[in-house]
Amino acid sequence: AQSVTQLGSHVSVSEGALVLLRCNYSSSVPPYLFWYVQYPNQGLQLLLKYTSAATLVKGINGFEAEFKKSETSFHLTKPSAHMSDAAEYFCAVSGSNQGGKLIFGQGTELSVKP
Amino acid sequence: DVKVTQSSRYLVKRTGEKVFLECVQDMDHENMFWYRQDPGLGLRLIYFSYDVKMKEKGDIPEGYSVSREKKERFSLILESASTNQTSMYLCATNSPSGETQYFGPGTRLLVL
Repeated sequence: AQSVTQLGSHVSVSEGALVLLRCNYSSSVPPYLFWYVQYPNQGLQLLLKYTSAATLVKGINGFEAEFKKSETSFHLTKPSAHMSDAAEYFCAVSGSNQGGKLIFGQGTELSVKP
Repeated sequence: DVKVTQSSRYLVKRTGEKVFLECVQDMDHENMFWYRQDPGLGLRLIYFSYDVKMKEKGDIPEGYSVSREKKERFSLILESASTNQTSMYLCATNSPSGETQYFGPGTRLLVL
């Protein structure tokens, strides 16, 4: 069985500060891992994905994430937060043989203070 | 770009009503999904479909059914809406490789 845990339902940072959103997963098969972002009243947009290539994955809007198998983690980072980064972020896992079914974490709402 | 559209952004229905949520994708993808999103619970899979007329239960299918008569369209049906089905409903489709899911804008349903 697969599962995803996002540590912290709310994270608040100051503009210009480091953003770190934590995600841990469990999977019995080699995982695909994703980060999605949801802006208010919108659907989910893919930020980045890991599909067994490079362990450090770069995404849109300056975000990146590192797959660490030993820690079963896929934390999302951005060196310098911008006000426009305020949104809800979801980590998700899929097995490579599971037809694209995703298991999502609970979500982390990111607030950015001026 | 993949486009996934949902028939309504907001819906208000009464308890006991039959509710149809429609989703259309324009990329001829085989796989389509329905999720509901609730605060603190993330997204939970209701049903998915791998092809026309095929459907599989997800994690929370109770109280829902689906229909896939055409490849581009996947409908979620609430046979008799209840207040605990008030939620945001998101439709998705994924790329042929199965790696990436593309989401519609969501339908926010309120059941009174």
